[in-house]
Amino acid sequence: GAVVSQHPSWVICKSGTSVKIECRSLDFQATTMFWYRQFPKQSLMLMATSNEGSKATYEQGVEKDKFLINHASLTLSTLTVTSAHPEDSSFYICSARPAAGGSYNEQFFGPGTRLTVL
Amino acid sequence: GESVGLHLPTLSVQEGDNSIINCAYSNSASDYFIWYKQESGKGPQFIIDIRSNMDKRQGQRVTVLLNKTVKHLSLQIAATQPGDSAVYFCAERFGGSRLTFGEGTQLTVNP
Repeated sequence: GAVVSQHPSWVICKSGTSVKIECRSLDFQATTMFWYRQFPKQSLMLMATSNEGSKATYEQGVEKDKFLINHASLTLSTLTVTSAHPEDSSFYICSARPAAGGSYNEQFFGPGTRLTVL
Repeated sequence: GESVGLHLPTLSVQEGDNSIINCAYSNSASDYFIWYKQESGKGPQFIIDIRSNMDKRQGQRVTVLLNKTVKHLSLQIAATQPGDSAVYFCAERFGGSRLTFGEGTQLTVNP
């Protein structure tokens, strides 16, 4: 149980295009999902916290108009990188916190999405 | 700002030896800590956690020690195996459910 998937697992796009990444909780409902970005050889940096049915909370320095987050259901959150540029190339990872049961502390991580912007 | 950092960026051990990965944190208000394992190209995998009201917690082959006096966290892996090779991150939580990750330690297990 507690599986989180991401789609796509990797994507290559041209500069200026937009890319959508999906994060799904497969066997549980998640009221809260988190989006992280990880550059090579670096740690995970929280980008935003996504709550179902409400606007996402962005971390300082993360452009909300560039990284659009939608959490329309209890099992799906999407991150859209708009007008992507090479510096947006990174490993994007989501995590999901169960809506009920388990520990409040639990976050289950997805496998990540490798974005390469040419 | 608050930060979580690791003392050693790399650690190389022989198969069968015990490994100790260290982490320093700066926020004395952090109430929950987690160790994650991340293999190349994959998401973090939960290893073990500990609340701030504890100083030790054991799992299968792993032990986490928390020293609040010096704000230090460590992960001990017993009888390290080649499959343990990965990057290990500590993470802390203070307020809400946001996690702050440390810099990571690359553990290499030599056969």
